[in-house]
Amino acid sequence: SYVLTQPPSVSVAPGQTARIPCGGNNIGSKGVHWYQQKPGQAPVLVVYDDNDRPSGIPERFSGSNSGNTATLTISRVEAGDEADYYCQVWDSSSDHLVFGGGTKLTVL
Amino acid sequence: QVQLVQSGAEVKKPGASVKVSCKASGFTFTHYDINWVRQAPGQGLEWMGWMNPNSGDTGYAQKFQGRVTITRNTSISTAYMELSSLRSEDTAVYYCARVETTNMDVWGKGTTVTVSS
Repeated sequence: SYVLTQPPSVSVAPGQTARIPCGGNNIGSKGVHWYQQKPGQAPVLVVYDDNDRPSGIPERFSGSNSGNTATLTISRVEAGDEADYYCQVWDSSSDHLVFGGGTKLTVL
Repeated sequence: QVQLVQSGAEVKKPGASVKVSCKASGFTFTHYDINWVRQAPGQGLEWMGWMNPNSGDTGYAQKFQGRVTITRNTSISTAYMELSSLRSEDTAVYYCARVETTNMDVWGKGTTVTVSS
């Protein structure tokens, strides 16, 4: 089965740039989506199809995807960005939806 | 507004079944697939399966095959997820989510299911 690998945690100071990687075999050939989840809340889609943003999501959130790594980039990080972030793909070979294990973003 | 409203928290004994509902409003229910995702305490997101409300077609994660059933009632724009043979490891928050191509753009608030003797 297809596996997505994320680091358990990433830390960044306010105003700096956070980069959260998501590794998978030839993930560059798939569309990657990213979700933000704050404690006690449902996930929220922040980036879809590698680098598109739903309406209402700040331009500070962007994504890239190439080779074996997709990356969520959050520019000018704010305290309110502190959350868990999950990457997700649809694996057409198994007809299964796959999530990464999640990354906890800490704003120092 | 576009939303998915889920049923309330459940407490079940091991071996029992639970059925969670997810009512759609603000959009045409039969135009979007619905996914079910769960999250055990302190753990990540886990996909359970999907349903096409128009056709009734479903697909399930291999882990849950034979234990999960996703159905719908189009007359009331509601999807259901039933999980049987519950065990303590099934204690989790269960979410329904609207599918837009392959991503999930609208989520319910979640339903807490607790399995305890």
